[in-house]
Amino acid sequence: ELKVEQNPLFLSMQEGKNYTIYCNYSTTSDRLYWYRQDPGKSLESLFVLLSNGAVKQEGRLMASLDTKARLSTLHITAAVHDLSATYFCAVSEMRFGAGTRLTVKP
Amino acid sequence: DTAVSQTPKYLVTQMGNDKSIKCEQNLGHDTMYWYKQDSKKFLKIMFSYNNKELIINETVPNRFSPKSPDKAHLNLHINSLELGDSAVYFCASSQSGSGDTQYFGPGTRLTVL
Repeated sequence: ELKVEQNPLFLSMQEGKNYTIYCNYSTTSDRLYWYRQDPGKSLESLFVLLSNGAVKQEGRLMASLDTKARLSTLHITAAVHDLSATYFCAVSEMRFGAGTRLTVKP
Repeated sequence: DTAVSQTPKYLVTQMGNDKSIKCEQNLGHDTMYWYKQDSKKFLKIMFSYNNKELIINETVPNRFSPKSPDKAHLNLHINSLELGDSAVYFCASSQSGSGDTQYFGPGTRLTVL
């Protein structure tokens, strides 16, 4: 059975700091999605990674995919309060990780 | 214009009742989805339709039945509601399926009493 594991599940960080969220999956998947969800809101697509070595960046967020290691990372650079949300990864069969709840504190 | 819309936004009902949630997308996409998000925020795909044809049917009780009258609509009908059905249900759409960006609706919060 395909499993998707995110870590950490909870992340509290200070503004201006950098951090990485990890997404591991258990079987072969050639695409990986990252989503953001604000409390009480819907999901917003951040990145779709379609091949090994894919890297995408938007603002302070950068996502990468290593299909051989079955690992994707979401790197946060110089965090700001507006990035506080829950971040989900999902693999090609639309199996989601449990989410990482990020809180950025001043 | 709302890209993916769902109605109703909130639904409170008694156990044993039958209810429907409607979803419409005006993006011209070919694929639509239903997801369930439980109280712990865990997301699970339930169904996926491509051009009105069912392509993903995860292990969900057969009390849940999707209906796609056309490729812009994917409705979810639930029979004999149970307490465990309480969740937020999200509809989503994408251009043609796997690998495409999915656009999510605002969600329907279902509460079964």
